[in-house]
Amino acid sequence: GQSLEQPSEVTAVEGAIVQINCTYQTSGFYGLSWYQQHDGGAPTFLSYNALDGLEETGRFSSFLSRSDSYGYLLLQELQMKDSASYFCAVRDKNSGYSTLTFGKGTMLLVSP
Amino acid sequence: DVKVTQSSRYLVKRTGEKVFLECVQDMDHENMFWYRQDPGLGLRLIYFSYDVKMKEKGDIPEGYSVSREKKERFSLILESASTNQTSMYLCASITSPGQGGNTIYFGEGSWLTVV
Repeated sequence: GQSLEQPSEVTAVEGAIVQINCTYQTSGFYGLSWYQQHDGGAPTFLSYNALDGLEETGRFSSFLSRSDSYGYLLLQELQMKDSASYFCAVRDKNSGYSTLTFGKGTMLLVSP
Repeated sequence: DVKVTQSSRYLVKRTGEKVFLECVQDMDHENMFWYRQDPGLGLRLIYFSYDVKMKEKGDIPEGYSVSREKKERFSLILESASTNQTSMYLCASITSPGQGGNTIYFGEGSWLTVV
């Protein structure tokens, strides 16, 4: 199986940069994804890393290192609307059915 | 615009009632999932389906069953609802790995309260 660990909560101020880490234990996966979920809403896709390295999408970047079993989501120029929960997820490569496993989520609180 | 639609947004049911949560996707995805989300526990997989009439148990299948009679529709059934099934239920779909694309699409969620 897979397990993903992320911090439960991170706080930052507007305009700052914050990094949310995700460490995982899995025997094989297609890639690492990140999802954002605002309170009361459904998770929405943010970023995906199939290969090692950095993927940049506007203010958000995501990084993967398979050798270190580690990834992170980097949020720059933080805005109040970035206050949300962020989940990392992997798509299992070994089960034959390719299930998705999520971390428990990191709540990001952005203050003025 | 891709879409996963859950039929009920908010439900209140009595203990022992049979509950149906319906989910429809319009992306021709093979794989569909039901998760429940509870504070501090994240998203936990209940059941998933990788093809019509096929189903597999996830991490917490007890007390639930599913039905996938058509590719676009995946239903979650609570045979006899209990108060510990009060939760937010999320349906999701994704294409197969060989088809490319690794974005999972979620429905808006169904908030179920069992009293």
